[in-house]
Amino acid sequence: AQKITQTQPGMFVQEKEAVTLDCTYDTSDPSYGLFWYKQPSSGEMIFLIYQGSYDQQNATEGRYSLNFQKARKSANLVISASQLGDSAMYFCAMRPSGYALNFGKGTSLLVTP
Amino acid sequence: NAGVTQTPKFQVLKTGQSMTLQCAQDMNHEYMSWYRQDPGMGLRLIHYSVGAGITDQGEVPNGYNVSRSTTEDFPLRLLSAAPSQTSVYFCASSSTVAYGYTFGSGTRLTVV
Repeated sequence: AQKITQTQPGMFVQEKEAVTLDCTYDTSDPSYGLFWYKQPSSGEMIFLIYQGSYDQQNATEGRYSLNFQKARKSANLVISASQLGDSAMYFCAMRPSGYALNFGKGTSLLVTP
Repeated sequence: NAGVTQTPKFQVLKTGQSMTLQCAQDMNHEYMSWYRQDPGMGLRLIHYSVGAGITDQGEVPNGYNVSRSTTEDFPLRLLSAAPSQTSVYFCASSSTVAYGYTFGSGTRLTVV
């Protein structure tokens, strides 16, 4: 069974600083996708970034980057230049080939002025 | 706007009642899933479908049924509601493995 672990229940970061949210995963499938979602207090799930297991380079999307270390089975999300609007729950998820997402329990990020 | 539509947004049920949570997408996505979100538990997969006529169980399927007669619709049925099914339910759809799922806005269900 696939398992996603997010070890940081809550994180604080000051505005304009960078922050790393940790995610480790466990799977025996050779092909999989790794995702990060943001859930603000309004409740919607917002897709942030994707990394494929065969991708050689780390994914980036604007201020978001995914630090993918395949051998360590980690897929940490890096948010650069944090903004107050980044305060939210962040979920790491994995998708085995062809199937649905498995989510971690999430990390609550609070950005302070 | 294209997307995933969930109805209703809020629902209160009495223990033992049945109901169907509706989910529809207009993006011609093959993959659809249902999740429940409980405090401190993240999102847990209930059932998923990889195409019309094909469904499978996720992590927490007990007490729920699904069917996928069309590409667009993926309803979730609660057979006999229990207080343990009080949760926020999300439906999501995806076109390919390489992209994330698009989520509906959720249904907040309370069973009393």
